Amino acid sequence: GENVEQHPSTLSVQEGDSAVIKCTYSDSASNYFPWYKQELGKRPQLIIDIRSNVGEKKDQRIAVTLNKTAKHFSLHITETQPEDSAVYFCAATDSWGKLQFGAGTQVVVTP
Amino acid sequence: DAGVIQSPRHEVTEMGQEVTLRCKPISGHDYLFWYRQTMMRGLELLIYFNNNVPIDDSGMPEDRFSAKMPNASFSTLKIQPSEPRDSAVYFCASSPSGADKNIQYFGAGTRLSVL
Repeated sequence: GENVEQHPSTLSVQEGDSAVIKCTYSDSASNYFPWYKQELGKRPQLIIDIRSNVGEKKDQRIAVTLNKTAKHFSLHITETQPEDSAVYFCAATDSWGKLQFGAGTQVVVTP
Repeated sequence: DAGVIQSPRHEVTEMGQEVTLRCKPISGHDYLFWYRQTMMRGLELLIYFNNNVPIDDSGMPEDRFSAKMPNASFSTLKIQPSEPRDSAVYFCASSPSGADKNIQYFGAGTRLSVL
């Protein structure tokens, strides 16, 4: 089945700097790659997603890149702000269409 | 739409008791998912339904867990008997059919503590 690995597990950045989180997946049939943000005690919320026919997608300060050949995708957050502090999860669909989540990255933005 | 609605938000029970978690998906969504989240194991898919029919329950940990979806607007996850290791946050999520079928919307979760 699908296996999604996510790195790093924790990331500390200065406010205004960029943050990058990387994920790899194993199933070459995966075709949908969402990113969720989960604040402490809250639900995971979709912040951006990308499908396999696109290499990059941007939404204001966040962007996602996908390399299907290498089976990895990344989340980029620019000009980080304290409210970006949260746990971020990547995910990939397996061959059955189910989402397999990475283990999460705790991002801490220090003022 | 109010989003995915879960109840209760918190549940504290004693080992051996029956626990029932409830979920109302977003109206019009054909898929419903139950997840469990713990520090050790992250987000685990327990079971999912399509048009009220269970499709994959391979993530259900053992026979103590059962899930039903009697209609398009309601699902339950039952644990009987509950054990301390069942303590976790349980999330329900729903998604539409068609081109957006993979986009899952999560409920606020139920934090379960089994003493």
